[in-house]
Amino acid sequence: DGGITQSPKYLFRKEGQNVTLSCEQNLNHDAMYWYRQDPGQGLRLIYYSQIVNDFQKGDIAEGYSVSREKKESFPLTVTSAQKNPTAFYLCASNRGSGVYEQYFGPGTRLTVT
Amino acid sequence: EDKVVQSPLSLVVHEGDTVTLNCSYEVTNFRSLLWYKQEKKAPTFLFMLTSSGIEKKSGRLSSILDKKELFSILNITATQTGDSAVYLCAVWSGGSNYKLTFGKGTLLTVNP
Repeated sequence: DGGITQSPKYLFRKEGQNVTLSCEQNLNHDAMYWYRQDPGQGLRLIYYSQIVNDFQKGDIAEGYSVSREKKESFPLTVTSAQKNPTAFYLCASNRGSGVYEQYFGPGTRLTVT
Repeated sequence: EDKVVQSPLSLVVHEGDTVTLNCSYEVTNFRSLLWYKQEKKAPTFLFMLTSSGIEKKSGRLSSILDKKELFSILNITATQTGDSAVYLCAVWSGGSNYKLTFGKGTLLTVNP
């Protein structure tokens, strides 16, 4: 089955720790995205990558970092510099760098205390 | 700054009712508008609208885009409890670097 997987589903961390969220896709999509969703809010773009070894900041990149070493994988690191890291994180992908339907992974709910 | 505004933010109806969800946008270089349904997890794709005035339909759901007035509506007829979800509107915009901007969503609750 083709799709996007994110792990883990739930993640708990202490304040001051960096944490990495996994995102893998087997759809052969070029473009991948990370969004953050807070209660009552829409999706806000953190980072995106349209090709391997290249990525751009989205609207709320501060306190986050990414890498794109393989086409299938786009991990997101939430660093200790992110002031309010507790949120629902969604990974998405679409083919090409144009205007396409975006497919979403199941999400990771991160809680930092 | 690109903006996508959805209304209402929440809506409670009874099974069998018809609902209309609204999405207006102000973006630079509009490309297309997408509707998603989100039930506590990953958003699932409903429609992509690029041309004005052409209705897209899937079962009891339909959507239409008005590019002159910069809005779209999502209609759900004969609602069922399984339609309860957050409905998200998103707009692709931009020149060489396309960007997808989401609205805050409309929380629809369908009571039996």
